[in-house]
Amino acid sequence: EPEVTQTPSHQVTQMGQEVILRCVPISNHLYFYWYRQILGQKVEFLVSFYNNEISEKSEIFDDQFSVERPDGSNFTLKIRSTKLEDSAMYFCASSDTRGLGGYTFGSGTRLTVV
Amino acid sequence: GQQVMQIPQYQHVQEGEDFTTYCNSSTTLSNIQWYKQRPGGHPVFLIQLVKSGEVKKQKRLTFQFGEAKKNSSLHITATQTTDVGTYFCAGLEDNFNKFYFGSGTKLNVKP
Repeated sequence: EPEVTQTPSHQVTQMGQEVILRCVPISNHLYFYWYRQILGQKVEFLVSFYNNEISEKSEIFDDQFSVERPDGSNFTLKIRSTKLEDSAMYFCASSDTRGLGGYTFGSGTRLTVV
Repeated sequence: GQQVMQIPQYQHVQEGEDFTTYCNSSTTLSNIQWYKQRPGGHPVFLIQLVKSGEVKKQKRLTFQFGEAKKNSSLHITATQTTDVGTYFCAGLEDNFNKFYFGSGTKLNVKP
């Protein structure tokens, strides 16, 4: 079964450093998403991406965040200057139909900011 | 903005007992989905409901979408230890590009 692949599985970074989280969505999917989950809490929407541009973003997705699809397969989330409160599990998801029929989530990157 | 609430937050049951989680939206939904997240894992899509009053079954799991399309429930009959995890609903409003996830119900099943 097709999978969404995320790397790294765990990233530890110092406060103020930049991190890039990487995702390889399912190859025939057109809609891509980043969600985050602070430990033990709900899954929070960050951003959706379609046709090489952001289609929607949440209040969490401020100027320190950016997304990119640098080639035909990767989808990245960059956090420019990490803060302690950015520590969370970051999930990438993809869909072929705007989420109708379900998202396929990757296994996540656990980001720890120290 | 849209809010999707789930109750209860936690549920501890003895293996063999039934379990239900409820999802309520502040707005009418065009689509509601359910996901299961095992401890330490990622959300996995279970099912989607789109019609008012719709009921769908997957083995011991029964999913319902309310008549007003503002609430939904997931019922598990005769829980097993493999049912352990957090169950999230996710709702989609018309003209929106994202699903709002509920806060989740964490199910623990004691053998």
